[in-house]
Amino acid sequence: GAVVSQHPSWVICKSGTSVKIECRSLDFQATTMFWYRQFPKQSLMLMATSNEGSKATYEQGVEKDKFLINHASLTLSTLTVTSAHPEDSSFYICSASGNTEAFFGQGTRLTVV
Amino acid sequence: GESVGLHLPTLSVQEGDNSIINCAYSNSASDYFIWYKQESGKGPQFIIDIRSNMDKRQGQRVTVLLNKTVKHLSLQIAATQPGDSAVYFCAENPSSGSARQLTFGSGTQLTVLP
Repeated sequence: GAVVSQHPSWVICKSGTSVKIECRSLDFQATTMFWYRQFPKQSLMLMATSNEGSKATYEQGVEKDKFLINHASLTLSTLTVTSAHPEDSSFYICSASGNTEAFFGQGTRLTVV
Repeated sequence: GESVGLHLPTLSVQEGDNSIINCAYSNSASDYFIWYKQESGKGPQFIIDIRSNMDKRQGQRVTVLLNKTVKHLSLQIAATQPGDSAVYFCAENPSSGSARQLTFGSGTQLTVLP
């Protein structure tokens, strides 16, 4: 199957700082990328959908000014958690979609201290 | 609102036995379903999918059954192995023909006992 690379795999940051997570589709062009958040022992919750070259569409309850998404190319989308707080600590997962199937990255464990 | 849910949060099986993981969905407009396996600290891994015009699909050691009448989906794993221990999620997609935006169920933790 296609490969989606997510970086970093884990990050620890201080409260109030910003963290950028990258999601790359390595062997296909992803017209759409999705960002999910997963708390321990819970399911994946969709945060936002991004299409290359346009603004992301955020799910209800997700602050667009706090979770900045950029999808500047067909192979790269970034999620920036701005002014991170301990409650933002979570497992963030991206998926990339070409025409049909969506492929998932390996996830990023964010810990805000 | 519409949701996808699972009957069993945990499932323990003996190595070599068959496993059955169930999922109930409520969005009657969904016509594409996927099962994912997620190991600890990793992203979801695609296992098998099925479209609503089918009621059964088989892969290597896995079978997915779809009952649209009762909105029920199941994943059967034959001869369960220790490496099958993980959390299994069903996911649905209401957009016909594409596996893009997904709604995930709550997950089932499968533990394979030696």
